[in-house]
Amino acid sequence: EVQLVESGGGLVKPGGSLRLSCAASGFSFTSYVMNWVRQPPGKGLEWVSSIGGGSTYIYYADSVQGRFTISRDNAKHLLSLQMNNLRAEDTAVYYCARDLYSSSWDAFDIWGPGTPVTVS
Amino acid sequence: SSELTQDPGVSVALGQTVRITCQGDSLRSYYASWYQQKPGQAPVLVIYGKNMRPSGIPDRFSGSSSGNTASLTITGAQAEDEADYFCNSRDRGGNHRVFGAGTRVTVL
Repeated sequence: EVQLVESGGGLVKPGGSLRLSCAASGFSFTSYVMNWVRQPPGKGLEWVSSIGGGSTYIYYADSVQGRFTISRDNAKHLLSLQMNNLRAEDTAVYYCARDLYSSSWDAFDIWGPGTPVTVS
Repeated sequence: SSELTQDPGVSVALGQTVRITCQGDSLRSYYASWYQQKPGQAPVLVIYGKNMRPSGIPDRFSGSSSGNTASLTITGAQAEDEADYFCNSRDRGGNHRVFGAGTRVTVL
């Protein structure tokens, strides 16, 4: 079964750090771009970061650039998000999501259940 | 502010058809993908590419695109279709992804 499971969320003070992990199973992890997407309480979805299969490209949303670092360990099928200098506005459920793509479209086809992060 | 614009909410009578739209300049170059999200659950991909449905998504869900507007149509809405629907595509630069603010669909 194709599955993503996040962990590492919790309560952290402003200015603090947290590291999220996403364990992938049931598919060839190295072959896929992986992403983090977050959702503040009662609000919409916000793309956070993407990383290529070989970590050859990495992109961040402007709101987290310079504070968050995405990484992956293909041998362990693990996606990570290191979050530093956290702010109240980073409070959200954080989802990892697998990417499908072609030249004219892409889509997040598999999502984890999410892990909540509260900065307070 | 989001580069993709969605109406905040729409209602549809049980069994009728509803169309949700998503507008943005990047949609002239990239197809949108659509996600259904029910309270307390992770989003689920329902439409991607020109008009493709993942396995398990009912064929009452369909997608289309024209100019800077992408649309998701539910033909014969069911009670279980009541949810928030988000569109997603790339931003104008092409490297970042962006979501619309979401449309809440209420089935009457």
